[in-house]
Amino acid sequence: QKEVEQDPGPLSVPEGAIVSLNCTYSNSAFQYFMWYRQYSRKGPELLMYTYSSGNKEDGRFTAQVDKSSKYISLFIRDSQPSDSATYLCAMSEYGTDKLIFGTGTRLQVFP
Amino acid sequence: DSGVTQTPKHLITATGQRVTLRCSPRSGDLSVYWYQQSLDQGLQFLIQYYNGEERAKGNILERFSAQQFPDLHSELNLSSLELGDSALYFCASSAGTGFGQETQYFGPGTRLLVL
Repeated sequence: QKEVEQDPGPLSVPEGAIVSLNCTYSNSAFQYFMWYRQYSRKGPELLMYTYSSGNKEDGRFTAQVDKSSKYISLFIRDSQPSDSATYLCAMSEYGTDKLIFGTGTRLQVFP
Repeated sequence: DSGVTQTPKHLITATGQRVTLRCSPRSGDLSVYWYQQSLDQGLQFLIQYYNGEERAKGNILERFSAQQFPDLHSELNLSSLELGDSALYFCASSAGTGFGQETQYFGPGTRLLVL
């Protein structure tokens, strides 16, 4: 079993929809949780960063972490065609810079 | 543009050959990370260097090796290449404090195709 599980999709939604992306993990030592966005043929770029449990909002994006359930989510409101990309969750433990990534969910937002 | 540069962008080679991928980190970053991204395995951490020293190791094959030079650029050497080594190889950099709370900035990647 992988340390981080993520549904690969693809997920196809109409413009304006609310998108929910999720990851589950098995390592209870993970303290830092990130969402990266990767456009086709590009390197991943950090979208959201959360420490421990709780919510964080940035514009149309909201990241949630539930450590008791070992479950993290990314919500995208009012989705746009420009949001079409692969979204990767990533996690790390305190005391290490090593990131463990999910396999990524491919999202397509159609006009 | 993340500030991390990688060369070459594309590499086509044959099985059994050896290649070297190069990465220059963002200005001021001391830590360099190498990742392999394939369709079935996703983004896999290979190795981390901090200021010239190896700091963490992931699922890196013995046929692969890396180093970080005094000017902080890094090279990933892949030898005895197999078809299964075909993948995207990313380099990332960060300040490298070691506390797991830093942003890693990724380069554009090197696409390796082994024929």
